[in-house]
Amino acid sequence: DTGVSQDPRHKITKRGQNVTFRCDPISEHNRLYWYRQTLGQGPEFLTYFQNEAQLEKSRLLSDRFSAERPKGSFSTLEIQRTEQGDSAMYLCASSRGAGPYEQYFGPGTRLTVT
Amino acid sequence: AQTVTQSQPEMSVQEAETVTLSCTYDTSESDYYLFWYKQPPSRQMILVIRQEAYKQQNATENRFSVNFQKAAKSFSLKISDSQLGDAAMYFCAYRRSLSGGGADGLTFGKGTHLIIQP
Repeated sequence: DTGVSQDPRHKITKRGQNVTFRCDPISEHNRLYWYRQTLGQGPEFLTYFQNEAQLEKSRLLSDRFSAERPKGSFSTLEIQRTEQGDSAMYLCASSRGAGPYEQYFGPGTRLTVT
Repeated sequence: AQTVTQSQPEMSVQEAETVTLSCTYDTSESDYYLFWYKQPPSRQMILVIRQEAYKQQNATENRFSVNFQKAAKSFSLKISDSQLGDAAMYFCAYRRSLSGGGADGLTFGKGTHLIIQP
């Protein structure tokens, strides 16, 4: 069990550029979640997958955001035409299932849009 | 929609003493789960303790315990014998039960910054 990993850990980009983040969950976990955390706030849910199916998307996930989880393994989160308001920590988590199952979090990707 | 409120942006406690962090939530559902997560500086978030809403008994994990008041929609965290390693942001979180359907993500409060004074 190597934990949830995320890459890159830090990303600085210019406004209008596209960025893509990767999350590798714990191998036997079928659920994968994306959250966004801004300074001084708790994480906000963006979307989640059960295996390769994207089951729910938050209203926070605008059309510029897209997430995939091909083959139910790693996941990518892409932000197109980045805006300064996209600057945040993007957290990935995985779990064995819903309800009481613990969500294990990765270290996050800190995005800075200049 | 569910909301989680943590009214204490920052708390300070002397090492070895006890501190209680407050959390209230709003929901119309009767079945759900509550969690406390810890986020140390520059480190990833880890689960401290969880509570199933259908259980009347308060959860306990070593020095950490909760006071779950379902009718009052209150879920406080008590840390006994505080240690320097307890210094972190603490987030209270709500999760719907599977039977409720819909989103499975956690709803977090804004967090409480816990400072441990040596």
